[in-house]
Amino acid sequence: GIQVEQSPPDLILQEGANSTLRCNFSDSVNNLQWFHQNPWGQLINLFYIPSGTKQNGRLSATTVATERYSLLYISSSQTTDSGVYFCAVSSGSARQLTFGSGTQLTVLP
Amino acid sequence: ETGVTQTPRHLVMGMTNKKSLKCEQHLGHNAMYWYKQSAKKPLELMFVYSLEERVENNSVPSRFSPECPNSSHLFLHLHTLQPEDSALYLCASSRRASGEAFFGQGTRLTVV
Repeated sequence: GIQVEQSPPDLILQEGANSTLRCNFSDSVNNLQWFHQNPWGQLINLFYIPSGTKQNGRLSATTVATERYSLLYISSSQTTDSGVYFCAVSSGSARQLTFGSGTQLTVLP
Repeated sequence: ETGVTQTPRHLVMGMTNKKSLKCEQHLGHNAMYWYKQSAKKPLELMFVYSLEERVENNSVPSRFSPECPNSSHLFLHLHTLQPEDSALYLCASSRRASGEAFFGQGTRLTVV
C-alpha cells in the first residue's frame, strides 16, 4: 500500500513564528487531506488538497502531485495551533485514508 | 461543525463486558469508517461501509463487530476485549468511499 511520511516529527516554536510541515507519499493520490488533532482527540479538517494550493487565514497548503509531496504552512503561530498535524492520503482504488505519523507542534507563549 | 457525532466520549469496560460505540452523521454521506488510534501509532483503518455494505475489513479481530443499519448510523460492538484494545476509536464519513472525510470527536476506550 501507499506510504506516507511526515516531517519533522516534533516542532517547537515561539508564538508568532512561521512553520512548514511536510508530507511525502509513495504513489499518485486521488485524495490528500491535512488534519489538526486537538487535545481532546478530534480531527479537525484543515484542507482537502489532492493538488494545487489553498489558503485559509494563517494556514495554507500546497500539493505537488507529480513530485509526491504536500506542504502545510502556518504563519504567525499561536498557542492554540499546538497539537498534532496529520497528513492522510488515498490512492488508486483504495476506499480509505492512509495516515502519516503526524507532526507534534508546540507553540510557546 | 459536528456533522459526525460519536457516543460515548469515554468508556471504561472490563474484559468480560459487552458494549457498543455509536456514530451518527448528518452530512448526507454514503460511506462511513471506523479507525483506531493507539498511543504513539498512526491511525489504523478498521472497517469501511459504502452504501451500508461492508467493503473493507482490515484484519480486525472478531471481538470487534461493526454494524451499519443505514447510511447515517454506524455501530462498533465490543465483547471480550483485551487491555491492548484500549485506544481512541474514531468514526468518519465521506460522500463517497475515498472522498473527503470528516471525523467525529472519538471515543476514548479503556479496557481494565
